[in-house]
Amino acid sequence: KQEVTQIPAALSVPEGENLVLNCSFTDSAIYNLQWFRQDPGKGLTSLLLIQSSQREQTSGRLNASLDKSSGRSTLYIAASQPGDSATYLCAPLTGNQFYFGTGTSLTVIP
Amino acid sequence: DAGITQSPRHKVTETGTPVTLRCHQTENHRYMYWYRQDPGHGLRLIHYSYGVKDTDKGEVSDGYSVSRSKTEDFLLTLESATSSQTSVYFCAISEFHGLGVDTQYFGPGTRLTVL
Repeated sequence: KQEVTQIPAALSVPEGENLVLNCSFTDSAIYNLQWFRQDPGKGLTSLLLIQSSQREQTSGRLNASLDKSSGRSTLYIAASQPGDSATYLCAPLTGNQFYFGTGTSLTVIP
Repeated sequence: DAGITQSPRHKVTETGTPVTLRCHQTENHRYMYWYRQDPGHGLRLIHYSYGVKDTDKGEVSDGYSVSRSKTEDFLLTLESATSSQTSVYFCAISEFHGLGVDTQYFGPGTRLTVL
């Protein structure tokens, strides 16, 4: 069974700082990995999808990397803003199932 | 948002009663999923469907059943609700792109309380 760990569990940074969120997974046989954000009381919003053959994927201020062989992915957020405050979840696709970590709760302080 | 709706959005019920949650999609996606989200556990897969009448179990399927008689609807049933099934339930769909890559999109969630 795929186990997904996200570190840190919570992070608080001042506005404008660059930051990195980490995701590790135990089974490297993944098809892809998806990053989501979740605002309190809301559903999940897809941010980025990295295919297993890719190393990086970028969208605006977000950059996600994938090292499949070592079971790691990172989400880099540049020039953080208060609107980035949310919980960020990673989910590798293994077989027909996505497995989720418990997320990193990010607070960006104005 | 991939046209996903869930109903009801909130429900309070009593232990032992049956409950059915509905997920509806408008874009004919093949894969549909039901998850539950609980503090400290993240999202856990209950059941998923890969076509009409084709379903399979996820990590936490005990006490739940599903049905998919039409492409657009995926129903989750708690035959006899228990307090341990108090949770937020999310429906999701998967899209396939040109390379066969999946992107998963989520509905707004249903908050279920079992008293």
